[in-house]
Amino acid sequence: AQTVTQSQPEMSVQEAETVTLSCTYDTSESNYYLFWYKQPPSRQMILVIRQEAYKQQNATENRFSVNFQKAAKSFSLKISDSQLGDTAMYFCALNTDKLIFGTGTRLQVFP
Amino acid sequence: GAVVSQHPSWVICKSGTSVKIECRSLDFQATTMFWYRQFPKQSLMLMATSNEGSKATYEQGVEKDKFLINHASLTLSTLTVTSAHPEDSSFYICSARGTSGGSETQYFGPGTRLLVL
Repeated sequence: AQTVTQSQPEMSVQEAETVTLSCTYDTSESNYYLFWYKQPPSRQMILVIRQEAYKQQNATENRFSVNFQKAAKSFSLKISDSQLGDTAMYFCALNTDKLIFGTGTRLQVFP
Repeated sequence: GAVVSQHPSWVICKSGTSVKIECRSLDFQATTMFWYRQFPKQSLMLMATSNEGSKATYEQGVEKDKFLINHASLTLSTLTVTSAHPEDSSFYICSARGTSGGSETQYFGPGTRLLVL
């Protein structure tokens, strides 16, 4: 069975600072994808960043980067230079044949 | 980027009626679409996987006779909530599997809020 665990229900950060959201997962598959999605108050799911399990290099997307530790099954998201618009629910997700989500971390960015 | 639309965005219906929600991939073909349900302040729960031209695969605990899924074309999947009851009130989200930059990604629709009175 595939599982995704996000142990931080809520996080807060000051504008322009850096914050890291944690995620661990479990799967017996060797080929899979990992994602971070953002869900703002509009509830539209927005893809933040994607990582293929076979790639050792950590994915980066502008201010967003991941720390992918395959052996530890860890996939954390780092947001640099946090902006007010980053305030949202963040979901870590594991995709084998279907996409399974963690419980989410509510991030609040303060001015 | 890939766009997925959902219609309607908001629906209120009487108990006992059926409601159909459409999910369309606007600029790409999706052989596989997914339907999720999200309760307030909770995560997305996968309800079923919809494959074009074949029967949907439902997750454990999801009533296939209540939540009818049809994936008639490569750009359209529908979810019909039959004989809706107040406990079916929820936020329903569809997603479509597509390819971007050579990698597989799921793109999400904006969701449908269902309120059953």
